[in-house]
Amino acid sequence: NAGVTQTPKFRVLKTGQSMTLLCAQDMNHEYMYWYRQDPGMGLRLIHYSVGEGTTAKGEVPDGYNVSRLKKQNFLLGLESAAPSQTSVYFCASTTPFEGLDEKLFFGSGTQLSVL
Amino acid sequence: AQSVTQLDSHVSVSEGTPVLLRCNYSSSYSPSLFWYVQHPNKGLQLLLKYTSAATLVKGINGFEAEFKKSETSFHLTKPSAHMSDAAEYFCVVSEGGYGGSQGNLIFGKGTKLSVKP
Repeated sequence: NAGVTQTPKFRVLKTGQSMTLLCAQDMNHEYMYWYRQDPGMGLRLIHYSVGEGTTAKGEVPDGYNVSRLKKQNFLLGLESAAPSQTSVYFCASTTPFEGLDEKLFFGSGTQLSVL
Repeated sequence: AQSVTQLDSHVSVSEGTPVLLRCNYSSSYSPSLFWYVQHPNKGLQLLLKYTSAATLVKGINGFEAEFKKSETSFHLTKPSAHMSDAAEYFCVVSEGGYGGSQGNLIFGKGTKLSVKP
């Protein structure tokens, strides 16, 4: 049972380049999330999805797009990377069907640097 | 609107001494509260959660937290620190039974715990 897997683990981009971060979970979870973590800022929600084919904006969605074409995958795209998007990105998933258990399962993160 | 404040950005303790990581929250409704731990270069892991049952919540690795509504606090404690406890700790608040589904989990800015030998 791999849990939540993020690829890639590290990436360096030049300003203006595009890329896609992949999150895959094998727990059949309905809910998936993308967060960014910056020093002293905690985690901030970028986008989230409550099911296949649905996405919604979080706290800091600008400059990012997402897709959830398959239940197990949640993709985060940067169309034109900016230095302000240098961050560590975490994917998480959970399910509402374990009572009120809102435990999030996190991936190990993607460290992105935009030069 | 809900919010969460971790009162210390960095706490340093000696091995074997008690740990106290402070968290205050603001919420319009009965909140769910969580503590997550992040070890270096790892994702976050749930330590414990409060969801309106017992006010004293026991978590993994000997940690516990007490929900105090009158003080709007949810401080994390451990009687005796271990070197392996060195990590960053996040207090999280959500409103509603499925706050996570609405994307309204609010993370504190984190407290980095250092443990000296």
